[in-house]
Amino acid sequence: DVKVTQSSRYLVKRTGEKVFLECVQDMDHENMFWYRQDPGLGLRLIYFSYDVKMKEKGDIPEGYSVSREKKERFSLILESASTNQTSMYLCASMSAINQPQHFGDGTRLSIL
Amino acid sequence: EDKVVQSPLSLVVHEGDTVTLNCSYEVTNFRSLLWYKQEKKAPTFLFMLTSSGIEKKSGRLSSILDKKELFSILNITATQTGDSAVYLCAVVAYSGAGSYQLTFGKGTKLSVIP
Repeated sequence: DVKVTQSSRYLVKRTGEKVFLECVQDMDHENMFWYRQDPGLGLRLIYFSYDVKMKEKGDIPEGYSVSREKKERFSLILESASTNQTSMYLCASMSAINQPQHFGDGTRLSIL
Repeated sequence: EDKVVQSPLSLVVHEGDTVTLNCSYEVTNFRSLLWYKQEKKAPTFLFMLTSSGIEKKSGRLSSILDKKELFSILNITATQTGDSAVYLCAVVAYSGAGSYQLTFGKGTKLSVIP
């Protein structure tokens, strides 16, 4: 079974801090994704990566950056956290476009 | 802009009822449509649909795609309390130059009461 592991289930940070959310997958998938999920807004794509060192902006990249130095790891970075970035963050990986995504358990991030 | 709309947004049924969840989409260069079930944590994959009219079935769940009318339905028969979850629909589309886009609907929250 594919395993997608997000480093933290719950995280509390302060406004202005630099925040790192880590995601690791163990199935050698090419494609990895970061979403945020908010009530009434559904899942919104922040960034995705289809190869090491490659990244593409999703629908809401503002205030975020990503890093993919190794195939198995995709990091989401909040450069200067703000309260409107309080959300549930979900990481996903996918082997190919004709395959489903596999999701991590999510990180519930609160910015105070 | 690609759009995926799920309906209803929420639904409350009694155990044993049959439910139909809807997902309509407007995308260019459609590739596939996926259904996920999300309980407390990660969405888990249910079905991937690429061809019109071919029903996919897994136990009490089934789904079908209509590429002419641009929608899919997810049916759950003889519902159980364990079916309570948010059901997510996502559409994959080519966006050119070897790239693609996934767009999720906002989900349907299903509550099954005993």
